[in-house]
Amino acid sequence: EDQVTQSPEALRLQEGESSSLNCSYTVSGLRGLFWYRQDPGKGPEFLFTLYSAGEEKEKERLKATLTKKESFLHITAPKPEDSATYLCAVQPNSGGSNYKLTFGKGTLLTVNP
Amino acid sequence: ETGVTQTPRHLVMGMTNKKSLKCEQHLGHNAMYWYKQSAKKPLELMFVYNFKEQTENNSVPSRFSPECPNSSHLFLHLHTLQPEDSALYLCASSQLGRETQYFGPGTRLLVL
Repeated sequence: EDQVTQSPEALRLQEGESSSLNCSYTVSGLRGLFWYRQDPGKGPEFLFTLYSAGEEKEKERLKATLTKKESFLHITAPKPEDSATYLCAVQPNSGGSNYKLTFGKGTLLTVNP
Repeated sequence: ETGVTQTPRHLVMGMTNKKSLKCEQHLGHNAMYWYKQSAKKPLELMFVYNFKEQTENNSVPSRFSPECPNSSHLFLHLHTLQPEDSALYLCASSQLGRETQYFGPGTRLLVL
């Protein structure tokens, strides 16, 4: 069974204080690993897809990296508007179920001014 | 309208009511999904439709009944719900063969 564990559950940073969020996963062959951002009362907003170990993607202050067991979302010099819940999900590369996403519980990030 | 839209955004219903949630995608996708998001729990996949055909029912109780009349519209019909069904219900869509799913804003459901 595919599993995703995100840590920490909650993270409070000062503006400008860089840090990383972790996503550990087990999956029967990885088709893709996804990062989403979710604001309170809204649907998840797509950020990145990573496909293979060693891959990195960047968007503004965010950088996602992938190994065979985990992914990190690095946040450089965060601003208050980066406050949100960050969700990680994996998609297996297994026959007819390769559209299924298994999500973690998320990391609630709060950036104080 | 752009992306994935959902109506209503908020819904309060009694346990004996019947209501429907609506989702529409404007992305030209051919797969649509219903997810349930409860507090402190990961998103749970409920139903999947590919080209209007249901391909996944993730052991969802029969009080939830999906309908997909075409590739752009998805409904979730609700009847005799329980208080534990209160949650954020999210619709998503994707293009088969491309992995990324795009989500709507969700319907916040409260069952009294």
